[in-house]
Amino acid sequence: DTAVSQTPKYLVTQMGNDKSIKCEQNLGHDTMYWYKQDSKKFLKIMFSYNNKELIINETVPNRFSPKSPDKAHLNLHINSLELGDSAVYFCASSQDAAGGPAEQYFGPGTRLTVT
Amino acid sequence: GNSVTQMEGPVTLSEEAFLTINCTYTATGYPSLFWYVQYPGEGLQLLLKATKADDKGSNKGFEATYRKETTSFHLEKGSVQVSDSAVYFCALPREAGTALIFGKGTTLSVSS
Repeated sequence: DTAVSQTPKYLVTQMGNDKSIKCEQNLGHDTMYWYKQDSKKFLKIMFSYNNKELIINETVPNRFSPKSPDKAHLNLHINSLELGDSAVYFCASSQDAAGGPAEQYFGPGTRLTVT
Repeated sequence: GNSVTQMEGPVTLSEEAFLTINCTYTATGYPSLFWYVQYPGEGLQLLLKATKADDKGSNKGFEATYRKETTSFHLEKGSVQVSDSAVYFCALPREAGTALIFGKGTTLSVSS
């Protein structure tokens, strides 16, 4: 079984469209994340949810809206797509404890191309 | 806030060569430190970690030692293989919360 899965793996769309990316984890983790990886491989946190509650919301345009229907799922909806949104989007999850951040498990990524 | 600086690549080596990828950090306190690896077309996976000063993390022949005196966590491997070709990321947690801050990544290419 895949621990963290994302759909779709590839997404090609035109500017101005609205699209969603879905993420599911079957590890029983409490915390889920969205990271963005640009063309130079630079990774940056976008959002973090803990038990369906938004914990981190970085300086991301409000065209990006995450939703966590339950603690196993974290979706990312993007409105009015722009060329600069082209990137690979990674979902991740972790089960954190009092001792500090635990290992994060990453999904395979969704490569978004906006034309 | 916390930050991490990683040597830029690409690094090109022949099989069985010695590998070092430098990583230094700035942090409040002594957070856990991580190395992640990204193979072509895949997501990131944890390679190794260290949770306190002087800890050595190791996995698959890779090692890194958490050195607070030099605020470093350099990745080493004594003999690289073609299958080690990937992008390597040094990471540590943000000062608040559990999300990770990643270095810029170092691309390693190993030829036979």
